[in-house]
Amino acid sequence: AQSVTQLGSHVSVSEGALVLLRCNYSSSVPPYLFWYVQYPNQGLQLLLKYTTGATLVKGINGFEAEFKKSETSFHLTKPSAHMSDAAEYFCAVSDSSGYALNFGKGTSLLVTP
Amino acid sequence: KAGVTQTPRYLIKTRGQQVTLSCSPISGHRSVSWYQQTPGQGLQFLFEYFSETQRNKGNFPGRFSGRQFSNSRSEMNVSTLELGDSALYLCASSFDGRAGYNEQFFGPGTRLTVL
Repeated sequence: AQSVTQLGSHVSVSEGALVLLRCNYSSSVPPYLFWYVQYPNQGLQLLLKYTTGATLVKGINGFEAEFKKSETSFHLTKPSAHMSDAAEYFCAVSDSSGYALNFGKGTSLLVTP
Repeated sequence: KAGVTQTPRYLIKTRGQQVTLSCSPISGHRSVSWYQQTPGQGLQFLFEYFSETQRNKGNFPGRFSGRQFSNSRSEMNVSTLELGDSALYLCASSFDGRAGYNEQFFGPGTRLTVL
C-alpha cells in the first residue's frame, strides 16, 4: 500500500532560516507525491506535486521538494522562512487507485522572530 | 472562479443523531472526494464520487455514506453519530479525480462536534 511518513510533528525555525520538512514514502508503484499546506480554519492548499520527470519540483510561495527514489524521500524545503509560513504541512501520496490521497500525520511549522 | 464551498461550516450534534454535510465543487469539476481530519488519525479518505457514481471508498463503517447529484454537488451523511465522529470533514473537487493529473482543490471544511 502507498503511504507516507512525516518525520517530526513539530518543527520550529527562525525567520530567515532554512525550512526543511521531511517526508518518506512507501509505494509499490512509481508514486505521485504531494505537499499541501493548511492554515488555521482553512482547507488544504497544494504547494507542489511530483508525478514524473524532473525530480526537483518547484511550488508556490518559494517552496520546493526533491524526489529521491534511492532514499524514498520527498523532503520540502524553503531557503528563507517567513512568519506567514507558519502552518500545518502535509505530505501525501496517491493511492493504488490513483483517485485518493494517503496523507502523512502532518508537521506543524512554527516560525519565530 | 469560486472555490469549493462546504455547508455548514460548524455543526454540533448529539450521539445517536444523524448529520448531512454538503459540498459544492468548483464549476466544471466532476469529481468530489471527502476526507475526515482528526488529531489522532490525521487525514483519512472517506470516498470519491464521479458523475454520480461512487468510484472509490475508504475504510469507514457503513454509517458513513454519500451521494453526488447531476450538478456534481455532493452530500455525505453520517448516521448514529458517535463521539469519535467529531472531526473536520473536508471536501475536495477536481476535474476527473485523478490525483496525479488534476489538482484537488479543498474546501474549508465542516467542523462537526458530537456531544
